[in-house]
Amino acid sequence: VMTQSPATLSVSPGERATLSCRASQSIRSNLAWYQQKPGQAPRLLIYGTSTRATGVPGRFSGSGSGTEFTLTISSLQSEDFAVYYCQQCDYRPPWTFGQGTKVEIK
Amino acid sequence: QVQLVESGGGLVKPGGSLRLSCVTSGFTFTDHYVTWIRQAPGKGLEWVSYISGTSEYTDYADSVKGRFTISRDNAKNSMYLQMTRLRAEDTAVYYCATGSPGFSGSYYEYWGQGTLVTVSS
Repeated sequence: VMTQSPATLSVSPGERATLSCRASQSIRSNLAWYQQKPGQAPRLLIYGTSTRATGVPGRFSGSGSGTEFTLTISSLQSEDFAVYYCQQCDYRPPWTFGQGTKVEIK
Repeated sequence: QVQLVESGGGLVKPGGSLRLSCVTSGFTFTDHYVTWIRQAPGKGLEWVSYISGTSEYTDYADSVKGRFTISRDNAKNSMYLQMTRLRAEDTAVYYCATGSPGFSGSYYEYWGQGTLVTVSS
């Protein structure tokens, strides 16, 4: 089970956002982060805990291992307000997603 | 560029069946695992099923095992999801997705736009 916190994060543009994802058992570094905006498919941001996907801005960074993971957005831009999901892919399927964190404008 | 286009969604009664399709282009289809992921209205993402490039490997979420069957036709660059004994809780937007061959079906860089399945009497 993947548990994300907080459910909603209110942040002002330009501020730093820190999103958490906890696994119920160790998933080593087999974790991804996705961004989803209303009416759109998710977008892969980070895979392997800390590797940015192609075209993802440097303000997005991932860290962690085992059971505790973090997505940090260093300086929020207007286009970053969205829902963020973590996803584990350790060992074998079925893979599981967290329930999501909504980042909203403060 | 990489494209995935789902179709086949619609309204179906509980206990009914539906077949979803995902037609792809812009990449070497046989090199890629392809995956179905769904999202119930207003809810989060749920991994449903995946299939390897040669169809050697498939797997399913527990919630659909025994009711859904994934398949692919590499000659048509297409993937399918045969859904039977549908339940109200299967109502969702169904996305097909894929990633780099090295991801072996674990991470998803490319997504379709989704197709809505509604199970209701």
